[in-house]
Amino acid sequence: DSGVTQTPKHLITATGQRVTLRCSPRSGDLSVYWYQQSLDQGLQFLIQYYNGEERAKGNILERFSAQQFPDLHSELNLSSLELGDSALYFCASSVARTGIDTGELFFGEGSRLTVL
Amino acid sequence: DAKTTQPPSMDCAEGRAANLPCNHSTISGNEYVYWYRQIHSQGPQYIIHGLKNNETNEMASLIITEDRKSSTLILPHATLRDTAVYYCILPYNTDKLIFGTGTRLQVFP
Repeated sequence: DSGVTQTPKHLITATGQRVTLRCSPRSGDLSVYWYQQSLDQGLQFLIQYYNGEERAKGNILERFSAQQFPDLHSELNLSSLELGDSALYFCASSVARTGIDTGELFFGEGSRLTVL
Repeated sequence: DAKTTQPPSMDCAEGRAANLPCNHSTISGNEYVYWYRQIHSQGPQYIIHGLKNNETNEMASLIITEDRKSSTLILPHATLRDTAVYYCILPYNTDKLIFGTGTRLQVFP
């Protein structure tokens, strides 16, 4: 158990819909990272937050948005869903902020999104 | 831009040492090398990291060359449960932590 909690574990929805994925980081961790992993693909970095502020962005689509709340949990919002958005979405947390040494990342078990 | 290069796949017999190489020729002086692995569709798991010196923990050993342009992750006695994709990662200064395609290690009986 990494200490990072992601909900829901599984989600099935239709094209055009909107979903919200939730992540609770480990106690004390200020950084939250979101990754997307499509079937048999690598991990794609989406976005990182540190203590409520956006710190880095990857190839995140405009239809996707995220935020980190004062209690440090984070939500990833996916809208106007397409078939290609079907993937595993991982959240990770760490204590450190800087890129020089991010420290160890602790990953959740992921949220599996299926868009039909 | 990929900062690390790893072979796409490797095989290893159970009980033998698995040596997974990683090239990072553009590494900067204060940049750490991190290794993670992902078993099937589980969340990636941290293994080990290092800066200059060789490191060892209960999971693996990390050997970093003197010029720091490459490193090797060593699983001393591979088991079937070590079958996974292994990622060698260098954190960017922009707070991104980019995973490449990694090495798919297959441990066979």
